[in-house]
Amino acid sequence: QVQLVQSGGGVVQPGRSLRLSCVTSRFTFSSHGMHWVRQAPGRGLEWVAAIWYDGSNTYYAESVRGRFTISRDNSKDTLYLQMDSLRAEDTAVYYCAGDEGFGDLLFAMDVWGQGTTVIVSS
Amino acid sequence: DILVTQSPSSLSASVGDRVTIACQASQDITNYLNWYQQKPGKAPKLLIYGASNLETGVPSRFSGSGSGTHFTLTISSLRPEDIATYYCQHYNDFPWTFGQGTKVEI
Repeated sequence: QVQLVQSGGGVVQPGRSLRLSCVTSRFTFSSHGMHWVRQAPGRGLEWVAAIWYDGSNTYYAESVRGRFTISRDNSKDTLYLQMDSLRAEDTAVYYCAGDEGFGDLLFAMDVWGQGTTVIVSS
Repeated sequence: DILVTQSPSSLSASVGDRVTIACQASQDITNYLNWYQQKPGKAPKLLIYGASNLETGVPSRFSGSGSGTHFTLTISSLRPEDIATYYCQHYNDFPWTFGQGTKVEI
């Protein structure tokens, strides 16, 4: 069973920063693109960011572009989401997800983390 | 950005019913559409990719169809364990977007 284990959530004040992590096990991490998806309380899913298998390309939702940074360390099988200038509307459960595609192919999120809660509040 | 709109937002059906959920894209996305199932408090699960391809391990009562701008997810015979919210999601280009979800109840 492939696992993505997330950490790093919590309560943070508006304007502050937080970094989420997502570690894999029994998954060829360095061969797959990765994503972050979030879900605000009582709301639907929102795709947040994606990164190629080698980290050479990244993509963002307009709502987080310029504030969030997705990155990865393939030597540690770990995905990150650096969240800066946090706002109340960033409050959500954040999921990391692995893409089913290999290499630079991104098309479907088939492996998911357990989710981690981020609350932005003063 | 491409918008994807689902209908209905919720539905109530009986065990054994055929259930159909629609998803419409704001522009032609060929077959670049996925369907996910999410149960309360759980991460989403990929059901269908490429509009009509069943993900490994997903029961065959689930099927997807459509191309261009109109897509459908069908559950041929609803089972109690299918109670969940279903989302479509396009991958035609970035940013990817999800539909608003369809809550299926019994």
